[in-house]
Amino acid sequence: EVQLVESGGVLVKPGESLRISCAASGFSFSYSWMNWVRRAPGKGLEWIGRIKSKIDGGTTAYGASVQGRFSISRDDSRKTMFLQMNSLQIEDTAVYYCTTEPLIDAAYFFGSWGQGTLVTVSS
Amino acid sequence: QTVVTQEPSFSVSPGGTVTLTCALRSGSVSTSYYPSWYQQTPGQPPRTLIYNTNTRSYGVPDRFSGSILGSRAALTITGAQADDEGDYYCVLYMTSDISAVFGGGTHLTVL
Repeated sequence: EVQLVESGGVLVKPGESLRISCAASGFSFSYSWMNWVRRAPGKGLEWIGRIKSKIDGGTTAYGASVQGRFSISRDDSRKTMFLQMNSLQIEDTAVYYCTTEPLIDAAYFFGSWGQGTLVTVSS
Repeated sequence: QTVVTQEPSFSVSPGGTVTLTCALRSGSVSTSYYPSWYQQTPGQPPRTLIYNTNTRSYGVPDRFSGSILGSRAALTITGAQADDEGDYYCVLYMTSDISAVFGGGTHLTVL
């Protein structure tokens, strides 16, 4: 069974940095593309970004609102993905979800989801 | 910047049928955008319903179906149930850079 467990969400002040994690189990993590998606209070879901598997180049891509401030990395030996968030703003307050991107039938979509971790940015 | 639009809200009677749509502010949605659909109920993570336009995710009942209707992607729920109430999101992929864009979401009420 696929399991994704996010952790590391806390209360931080504007301008600070934070790294959150997603621990994976139940599937071949090293071969998987992984994503971060967030939902801010009162708003809809927003794609944060993706990291491809190393075999596919390990490259990253980001949504416009976080480009240049957030970065995604992975440690395949620990089956864990990370989201480094710098220069956090109040608008970054959200529940952050990690998701798989299974690429079944060569289609792009989000497969399994974690339960999410809450990041609160407030002074 | 690509904008994906959905109806902000919809209401359906129990047992009824509803079709939610997903459009591009500029252009038509086709299968090349790999439309997918997600349901989120309060306090829960999103759940994948449909991918690749019309393929149901594992365990999703067949009363959920996806299609292209005209220039939009569509999610049809047949025989709506009370626990279908929640927020529904479509995602389109911009294959130029394989970026994902969420629609604004549709809040579905079943009453």
